[in-house]
Parts: sequence; structure tokens; C-alpha cells
Amino acid sequence: GESVGLHLPTLSVQEGDNSIINCAYSNSASDYFIWYKQESGKGPQFIIDIRSNMDKRQGQRVTVLLNKTVKHLSLQIAATQPGDSAVYFCAENMRAAGNKLTFGGGTRVLVKP
Amino acid sequence: DTEVTQTPKHLVMGMTNKKSLKCEQHMGHRAMYWYKQKAKKPPELMFVYSYEKLSINESVPSRFSPECPNSSLLNLHLHALQPEDSALYLCASSQDWGNQPQHFGDGTRLSIL
Repeated sequence: GESVGLHLPTLSVQEGDNSIINCAYSNSASDYFIWYKQESGKGPQFIIDIRSNMDKRQGQRVTVLLNKTVKHLSLQIAATQPGDSAVYFCAENMRAAGNKLTFGGGTRVLVKP
Repeated sequence: DTEVTQTPKHLVMGMTNKKSLKCEQHMGHRAMYWYKQKAKKPPELMFVYSYEKLSINESVPSRFSPECPNSSLLNLHLHALQPEDSALYLCASSQDWGNQPQHFGDGTRLSIL
């Protein structure tokens, strides 16, 4: 089965609230993780990445948290806006396993006005 | 706008046709990728090129033939495709192959009649 998965397939959030998207991964040797946003009719857009030697990384309105103990990754979006409505994918890479980026199943985020 | 350009955006072809998908990037990236994405699914890796050499072929059927003429261009030649090959074909590039963010184009929507 997939080594990367998501807990919630759809997340509805009120505009202005914070969003949290979760992702579980099964391979403890994965050493690099990326979050992508994919809008309808477009390719995945890079949001933020984190390496396994870190547990938190912040970008503009986004924060990625990595918990290696429970093999869990999350993306927090602050003050969610209508433009944040999209499908979000987490992806993991393991250099020792051939450097193949493996995507999770995706979570759809719907922002309600 | 994405910095990875894919053409055409849409392609409809019969099962006996031969066509090519094209991908171009001018970011100086040395790794380029082809992914296949079915509706409501995550992207799945097909091929990886690193420094213009094929590094990974994920057991893709021979009716898909990749080509990397130079460091900026990546082609995917199609011949005798099946209806189940209908999908969004995404190209991506990264500075190097490995733990680097991959940047995606908006894909070619392929329909096989």
C-alpha cells in the first residue's frame, strides 16, 4: 500500500480561520517531505518542504510540523483565504530508496465565505 | 505562472496515433521528471532524468518513450496507447535529483479514443 496517507479527504474551513491538514507516513527512513497545493486544471504547486533533521518550518502563512516519533506531518495555514481552496498533497522522499517522491492521497480544502 | 512549460495543454488521440508531449524549463535544473495523474488521485512517478540520463523507469510500458534532448527539454513520445492511459501527464524539474523541491508544469490532459 501507500507509504504516505492522509486522515481527512475533505476539510471545510471558515474564511479567516486556521486550517490544519494531516499526513501519516509509514517509512521511518524518509528524509525529506514536501507539501503541494493543486488547484483545478493546474499542476501541483510547491508550498513548503522540511528535512528530517527538523521538526518545524515556517513560511508565509504556512507552517509544517514533522513528528518523527509517530511518523506524522502536518500543514497549518493561518487565516485561510478563498484562494487556499485546493487539493493538498504531502509527499515523502527517501534518498536510500532511490530518491522517488511518493505522494499521499490528497486532502481537499474548501474555504467557506 | 509556472516556470515549467508543457505543450500541448490538451491532446486527443486514437490508439494507433503517434504523438509527443513536450516539457521545457529554463531554471538550470538538472533533474526532470514525468508523472501520470488520474482523476482524484495523486501523481505517480513514471521517469526520472538526471543530467540528461534516464535514472528511473518505474516499469512504464514501452508505448511511453521518454527523451531528454538537452538539459532544458524533456519529451514523452506516445505510440499505440490504450484508453486507460487517459490522464494528466505532469512534468517536473528540480535543481538536482534527490531531496530538492520539484517544480511542476500544469500538465497535458491526454484523452485516448
